[in-house]
Amino acid sequence: GEDVEQSLFLSVREGDSSVINCTYTDSSSTYLYWYKQEPGAGLQLLTYIFSNMDMKQDQRLTVLLNKKDKHLSLRIADTQTGDSAIYFCAEVTGGSYIPTFGRGTSLIVHP
Amino acid sequence: DGGITQSPKYLFRKEGQNVTLSCEQNLNHDAMYWYRQDPGQGLRLIYYSQIVNDFQKGDIAEGYSVSREKKESFPLTVTSAQKNPTAFYLCASSLYRGGEKLFFGSGTQLSVL
Repeated sequence: GEDVEQSLFLSVREGDSSVINCTYTDSSSTYLYWYKQEPGAGLQLLTYIFSNMDMKQDQRLTVLLNKKDKHLSLRIADTQTGDSAIYFCAEVTGGSYIPTFGRGTSLIVHP
Repeated sequence: DGGITQSPKYLFRKEGQNVTLSCEQNLNHDAMYWYRQDPGQGLRLIYYSQIVNDFQKGDIAEGYSVSREKKESFPLTVTSAQKNPTAFYLCASSLYRGGEKLFFGSGTQLSVL
C-alpha cells in the first residue's frame, strides 16, 4: 500500500472551513509537510510540522498531528475561491531525507 | 530574485527521439530532484542529486537520464526507451539533505506527437 494516503477530492462552500486529511505509515517520520499546487504550476510549501509537535497555526492554516494514529490534517479557515488547488501531504522519515508525497487532494471551493 | 527555473514550459517529442528538460536554480542549494506527475497519481521520484557529479535513481528511473556537472543545473533527458513519456515534470531543490523543505520549479508538460 501507499506510504502516504489522501482522499482525492474535497468540495466546500466559500467562507466555510476546509479540512484535508492525510495518513502515513512510517512511525519514524520526522517532518510532515503540506504543499499547494495551482493549475499548471509547481508546488509551493504551505506549512510543515515537526513530529514532536501536536499542532501548528499559521494565520488561516492549522495543522494537527496525531502520532498515535499517524494522522495529519490541514484546516483552512474561511476558505476562499483562491484556495482552490491540489494539496499534497508529504513526509520525511529518519531513514531517508527524500520526501514521500501523497496523491494530492483537489479542493474545490464554490460560491 | 532567487528561484528555480524550468524550461521549456511545453515540449513535444516524436517517437524515437530523446528530449532534454532544463532545470536551473540560483538558490545555492545542494540537493536537486526530478519528479513525474500524472493525473491522480501524485509525484513520483525519477532521480535526485545531493552534490555535483553525483546522482541516484528514484522510484521510476528507467527511460530517463540526468547529469549534475554544475551545482545550479540538473537537466533531465527523456530517452526513446521511455515508452509513456507524456506527463508533467517537476524539478525541485533543497538546501541540504535531511528533511529540508523543497522548492519547486513551474514544471514542463511533455507530450508525444
